[in-house]
Amino acid sequence: NAGVTQTPKFQVLKTGQSMTLQCAQDMNHEYMSWYRQDPGMGLRLIHYSVGAGITDQGEVPNGYNVSRSTTEDFPLRLLSAAPSQTSVYFCASSFSPGVTEAFFGQGTRLTVV
Amino acid sequence: TQLLEQSPQFLSIQEGENLTVYCNSSSVFSSLQWYRQEPGEGPVLLVTVVTGGEVKKLKRLTFQFGDARKDSSLHITAAQPGDTGLYLCAGAPGETSGSRLTFGEGTQLTVNP
Repeated sequence: NAGVTQTPKFQVLKTGQSMTLQCAQDMNHEYMSWYRQDPGMGLRLIHYSVGAGITDQGEVPNGYNVSRSTTEDFPLRLLSAAPSQTSVYFCASSFSPGVTEAFFGQGTRLTVV
Repeated sequence: TQLLEQSPQFLSIQEGENLTVYCNSSSVFSSLQWYRQEPGEGPVLLVTVVTGGEVKKLKRLTFQFGDARKDSSLHITAAQPGDTGLYLCAGAPGETSGSRLTFGEGTQLTVNP
């Protein structure tokens, strides 16, 4: 089973460039989310979605956009990359609200120079 | 934002020793999850606790949810080098938790042979 697939695994951007981090899941999960992980700060929620067509902001949404046109895909867009967005990004999905396991992708390591 | 404080942030012990990691908050969570993350990978769920006072065991790992559902602990007995990794606690704020989890800062555990 593929689970949650993130691409690319590594990316270097110049300040001001834009890009999209891809996330796809094949488990038919309604809930998907994006986190960033920085040293000593755990995972911080950027945006999340409770189903196709529905998205909402998390803890650190500034500088990022998301959309959810299908159940399977939840891309994260960086509008104008800044060095502060250098981080490791994780996409996660889960089946339903309540006590459910979140399945994570392998992460995208992004460096903004 | 509901905050989760994990302690200690770093822990380096010898094989065979016991250890406890703590996860504390001033907020009540409907459930508390513990994840383990290895370098270059996404977090993987170890356990979910739901009921106040609940204790769950997973081989040498014992997880406890506080009576007031504001804190949790992870105790490892006779640690082994294979236990090395980043341990993360994550709280679900309510019925619509799903992918919206609040993570602690993580505890980096190193077990030396």
